[in-house]
Amino acid sequence: QSVLTQPPSASGTPGQRVTISCSGSSSNIGSNTVNWYQQLPGTAPKLLIYSNNQRPSGVPDRFSGSKSGTSASLAISGLQSEDEADYYCAAWDDSQVWVFGGGTKLTVL
Amino acid sequence: EVQLVESGGGLVQPGGSLRLSCAASGFTFSSYDMHWVRQATGKGLEWVSAIGTAGDTYYPGSVKGRFTISRENAKNSLYLQMNSLRAGDTAVYYCARYEYSYGTFDYWGQGTLVTVSS
Repeated sequence: QSVLTQPPSASGTPGQRVTISCSGSSSNIGSNTVNWYQQLPGTAPKLLIYSNNQRPSGVPDRFSGSKSGTSASLAISGLQSEDEADYYCAAWDDSQVWVFGGGTKLTVL
Repeated sequence: EVQLVESGGGLVQPGGSLRLSCAASGFTFSSYDMHWVRQATGKGLEWVSAIGTAGDTYYPGSVKGRFTISRENAKNSLYLQMNSLRAGDTAVYYCARYEYSYGTFDYWGQGTLVTVSS
């Protein structure tokens, strides 16, 4: 059981906007920043969003992140077929461990 | 170009040991904290260990006392010594670079598979 809670699946059609939620607690999301990773099938995770809402160089602005209280969200607008992947949220926990969400499998219909 | 290449995975019996390596290139290895993160087949990500630039180490309770992370800056290499392995340790193990200004892992290796089974 993962410390951060994500829906196991999400879906959308090309061009749509989808959001993926990540719920935590006061010791992780509530007091530290949230990061998001994209994992394409058969590959290593790739940093998508850091510090709640910042995109590393090279990540399209279709991807955005937000945080409120002990929850965070990843939004993908203008959904494309290549966005089909697993998405993970992560945060530092004040108990001195990194915690991850269980992952959300995004299907582009 | 930043590259992280893991090696050393394989099949090991329960109770056995294995040492993973991660060869880093394309950046000043000694200036970065490094981490190991694992992923069981079809499961999510789990943080396994971290080592700071000064050699300070960190572990979650699930591996503390069994796993040891170390680094050899002269060889741009990160290691994970895994002892008393259990079936639950079966996973792909990734090494990851921690970027302090981002507050997270910005580069990951391709992973190496560890299978603990009799």
